[in-house]
Amino acid sequence: DTAVSQTPKYLVTQMGNDKSIKCEQNLGHDTMYWYKQDSKKFLKIMFSYNNKELIINETVPNRFSPKSPDKAHLNLHINSLELGDSAVYFCASSQRTGVTNEKLFFGSGTQLSVL
Amino acid sequence: SQELEQSPQSLIVQEGKNLTINCTSSKTLYGLYWYKQKYGEGLIFLMMLQKGGEEKSHEKITAKLDEKKQQSSLHITASQPSHAGIYLCGADDSNYQLIWGAGTKLIIKP
Repeated sequence: DTAVSQTPKYLVTQMGNDKSIKCEQNLGHDTMYWYKQDSKKFLKIMFSYNNKELIINETVPNRFSPKSPDKAHLNLHINSLELGDSAVYFCASSQRTGVTNEKLFFGSGTQLSVL
Repeated sequence: SQELEQSPQSLIVQEGKNLTINCTSSKTLYGLYWYKQKYGEGLIFLMMLQKGGEEKSHEKITAKLDEKKQQSSLHITASQPSHAGIYLCGADDSNYQLIWGAGTKLIIKP
């Protein structure tokens, strides 16, 4: 079984649409993350949830809204998609947060293309 | 703010040759991680280094953290096509959050 799974793998949509990316982890981890990878392959954290509570909310447009129904799921909903939102989005999880040296487990990524 | 600089940005190496990728920080690193990303896949954890002077090896990949804990190198010996991918270094900043280098794209020529 895949430890961190996110769907869909590819998402092509028109500007202005609303879309969601789902993420699930079966590792029993307390913390989940969303990262955005830009065209230069640089990974930047967007959100972090610990036991369903938001703990990191970086400077991200409020069109992006994470939702964590339980600690095994962290979904990313994006409203009014813009061209600049095109990127690969990675979901990740770790045992805990606020502790150094926590190993992250990543999903395989969702390539979002906004046309 | 702390930044991680990776070099080179990309690397083309003949199969069988050795190579080194570097990761440099502007401040002391609390924990340094190496990940590998294959095209279309997620990030795969390779190694974690914590102590100054620490060195770890896994198969043909060796990672080192210098004594000052500001620079790490990833060395691959006798490279193979399976080593191709993007290598990312990450580190804990003083707020326990991960920061990332921009990645090094490695291509292995047969």
